[in-house]
Amino acid sequence: GNSVTQMEGPVTLSEEAFLTINCTYTATGYPSLFWYVQYPGEGLQLLLKATKADDKGSNKGFEATYRKETTSFHLEKGSVQVSDSAVYFCALSDTEGNNDMRFGAGTRLTVKP
Amino acid sequence: KAGVTQTPRYLIKTRGQQVTLSCSPISGHRSVSWYQQTPGQGLQFLFEYFSETQRNKGNFPGRFSGRQFSNSRSEMNVSTLELGDSALYLCASSRKVGASPLHFGNGTRLTVT
Repeated sequence: GNSVTQMEGPVTLSEEAFLTINCTYTATGYPSLFWYVQYPGEGLQLLLKATKADDKGSNKGFEATYRKETTSFHLEKGSVQVSDSAVYFCALSDTEGNNDMRFGAGTRLTVKP
Repeated sequence: KAGVTQTPRYLIKTRGQQVTLSCSPISGHRSVSWYQQTPGQGLQFLFEYFSETQRNKGNFPGRFSGRQFSNSRSEMNVSTLELGDSALYLCASSRKVGASPLHFGNGTRLTVT
């Protein structure tokens, strides 16, 4: 079945450092891919998405490219801020007509000033 | 536009009791999905409703049930609570099913003692 594997955290970076969080997936067909972010005490917020191969999703300085050849959707940001501290989830959605999204385990990011 | 609203935010119940959680989706969204989030299992899909019909169900026992009303509001019920049911229950809505990003509420934190 469909699944998502994320790099394990926690990840601790200094402000302005470069961020990469790896995500690979297993899926039949052509899923849509998402990154969600969860701040303490809150639900998940959509950060970015890509719906087909070679699409690049971007938002708030974060970006990720849908790589079908490597089944990957790595999240990157060139210069992180303290406010980026949160848990990040990679997810995929079967395009066959349901919202049974599969989430990775989540990666906790802490950015120190 | 109001986001997804979940009530209550916190619940404490004892084993054997039952509980009902409520979710009001974003206006215009007709699909509501429920997820259970625990430190050990991460995010797991419970079920999805669209136009008052259950579209998809995750791998949870029959003690977990849900429904959707004509105004798209949804409830989920857990009967005969067990300690392992302690979790953050997240509701998410989307305009349609399939490859449509989910918009999450802040969740209901259920503690079973």
